[in-house]
Amino acid sequence: DAGVIQSPRHEVTEMGQEVTLRCKPISGHNSLFWYRQTMMRGLELLIYFNNNVPIDDSGMPEDRFSAKMPNASFSTLKIQPSEPRDSAVYFCASSFELARANTGELFFGEGSRLTVL
Amino acid sequence: KNQVEQSPQSLIILEGKNCTLQCNYTVSPFSNLRWYKQDTGRGPVSLTIMTFSENTKSNGRYTATLDADTKQSSLHITASQLSDSASYICVVSATGTGGSYIPTFGRGTSLIVHP
Repeated sequence: DAGVIQSPRHEVTEMGQEVTLRCKPISGHNSLFWYRQTMMRGLELLIYFNNNVPIDDSGMPEDRFSAKMPNASFSTLKIQPSEPRDSAVYFCASSFELARANTGELFFGEGSRLTVL
Repeated sequence: KNQVEQSPQSLIILEGKNCTLQCNYTVSPFSNLRWYKQDTGRGPVSLTIMTFSENTKSNGRYTATLDADTKQSSLHITASQLSDSASYICVVSATGTGGSYIPTFGRGTSLIVHP
């Protein structure tokens, strides 16, 4: 299995531009997470999908951020317009969630490092 | 509010020495606790998982403990190697309604092993 695949690995853009980050979860996994990691705040959960449905998006900073999961094998995180404070590493993770209890391991991608100038 | 606190924030040790990282949590209802290792520039990778009934689990030179009564866990690294230099993140999962679960992440402990 190729693992969780994220693209791009690095993105440098100017303030105000639209940024789209992409994620392909591990085949067969039914849960997908988007995280943001900074030195100051560590890993922060942005949004969590289960069976392609957004379950918890309370971590999405503001309306500039949006995430979609049109099918079980693809998700996007979009920032429009981007701001310098959005600079961070964005991780996608997937897992297989069992009903009522979960011991599912989160499998992370390599991350997308975003720099907004 | 579910929280996971880790200590120390950072740690520097000499190669070959042992060290212990701490994790305290207030997550309910408890499902499981995992320790992840994150190498620089990579995504986190799971080292161990502890469920309610387990109090010790080993993975090579890594040994995790869990005290569900005091809601504390530790990760002990024996005979450290340069490759152990990484961030170690404690993640506690709760069982939610409808079968969903939300893992809560600690801020991590940054470990540097010097030759």
